[in-house]
Amino acid sequence: AQKITQTQPGMFVQEKEAVTLDCTYDTSDPSYGLFWYKQPSSGEMIFLIYQGSYDQQNATEGRYSLNFQKARKSANLVISASQLGDSAMYFCAMSLPPQASKIIFGSGTRLSIRP
Amino acid sequence: SAVISQKPSRDICQRGTSLTIQCQVDSQVTMMFWYRQQPGQSLTLIATANQGSEATYESGFVIDKFPISRPNLTFSTLTVSNMSPEDSSIYLCSVTGTGIEQYFGPGTRLTVT
Repeated sequence: AQKITQTQPGMFVQEKEAVTLDCTYDTSDPSYGLFWYKQPSSGEMIFLIYQGSYDQQNATEGRYSLNFQKARKSANLVISASQLGDSAMYFCAMSLPPQASKIIFGSGTRLSIRP
Repeated sequence: SAVISQKPSRDICQRGTSLTIQCQVDSQVTMMFWYRQQPGQSLTLIATANQGSEATYESGFVIDKFPISRPNLTFSTLTVSNMSPEDSSIYLCSVTGTGIEQYFGPGTRLTVT
């Protein structure tokens, strides 16, 4: 069965430092997609970054990059130069083939940025 | 990206009553999704709603409890029926963008007393 695991329930980071949020996944299907979403205290879900299982290069979006290690089944999110506004819950998620629109979510990591 | 609105943004309801949540998208989309996020938990998919057909429910969710309508390509409703305090959650709708990513509405915070 497909599964997403986030082992860090909470993290504290100093402003301007880089932070890595861990995510491992489990699937036997070779075709899948991996996502990261940010959920601030307002409750909205904000799409951050996507990595396809066949993508050769790690995805990057501004200060966000996804460290994709396929053999280890990990998809860690790296936030460079963290800002106070980065404080939020972060969810790793995976799309389930063949219905690629269906997504399962990990349990989330609460990131707190210290000034 | 799609712009999604939900109504109401929050509500406090009595046990045994029903609440209908509306989801409006600014563009036509084939598939819409409804998720539940219980307090302090992650998101769980309730059902997938396609226009013109019955919604497809995930394990643990049934149509009698969570009836869904999808009258057109920009609108859907989710009803939470015969509510109990365990139904207190954030309910979110989402749609697939031009790529594979999903975009979410702002959510409806439901408290059942």
